[in-house]
Amino acid sequence: KAGVTQTPRYLIKTRGQQVTLSCSPISGHRSVSWYQQTPGQGLQFLFEYFSETQRNKGNFPGRFSGRQFSNSRSEMNVSTLELGDSALYLCASSLEGGPQHFGDGTRLSIL
Amino acid sequence: GQQVMQIPQYQHVQEGEDFTTYCNSSTTLSNIQWYKQRPGGHPVFLIQLVKSGEVKKQKRLTFQFGEAKKNSSLHITATQTTDVGTYFCAGSSGTYKYIFGTGTRLKVLA
Repeated sequence: KAGVTQTPRYLIKTRGQQVTLSCSPISGHRSVSWYQQTPGQGLQFLFEYFSETQRNKGNFPGRFSGRQFSNSRSEMNVSTLELGDSALYLCASSLEGGPQHFGDGTRLSIL
Repeated sequence: GQQVMQIPQYQHVQEGEDFTTYCNSSTTLSNIQWYKQRPGGHPVFLIQLVKSGEVKKQKRLTFQFGEAKKNSSLHITATQTTDVGTYFCAGSSGTYKYIFGTGTRLKVLA
């Protein structure tokens, strides 16, 4: 069974730009969660999608948004990038209420 | 909002010594999950605890969920170099939203 796939693996952007990250969950998993990981703040919950609906949201500004498609694939968008957005963005998929399976993440660097 | 704290932040042990990390939530949890993240890797699921007072074992790892479902612990007996990594707890209040603890970074000295 293929694992969670995140693309791209690395991304370099400049301040003010926007970025879209992609996550393909494990087949059959309808819940997809996104996390931001930084050395100082640890793993911070961004949002969770289930059956194309955002079911939970963390405490991030509106510049961070996401969506989920009918095949459960999910995208995360960050607009007007700031230096502080540099982080590893992790996606995790799960059967509802079950273990979360993480992808390798997208490392985003803002110059 | 819900907060999950973990202590200690770092722990260095000699190979063969025991290790424990503690997780405390500001709110009552419906369940708690534990993850291990190796350097350069992504978090990998270890276990999920659901019942008050639950204790689960996986070889040298023992996981406990507190009676009040607000705290949990992970104990490793006789650490090995393969145990190196950061251990995270993640608690949910039943909404499928998991708040991760701050993590405990374990280093094992051979």
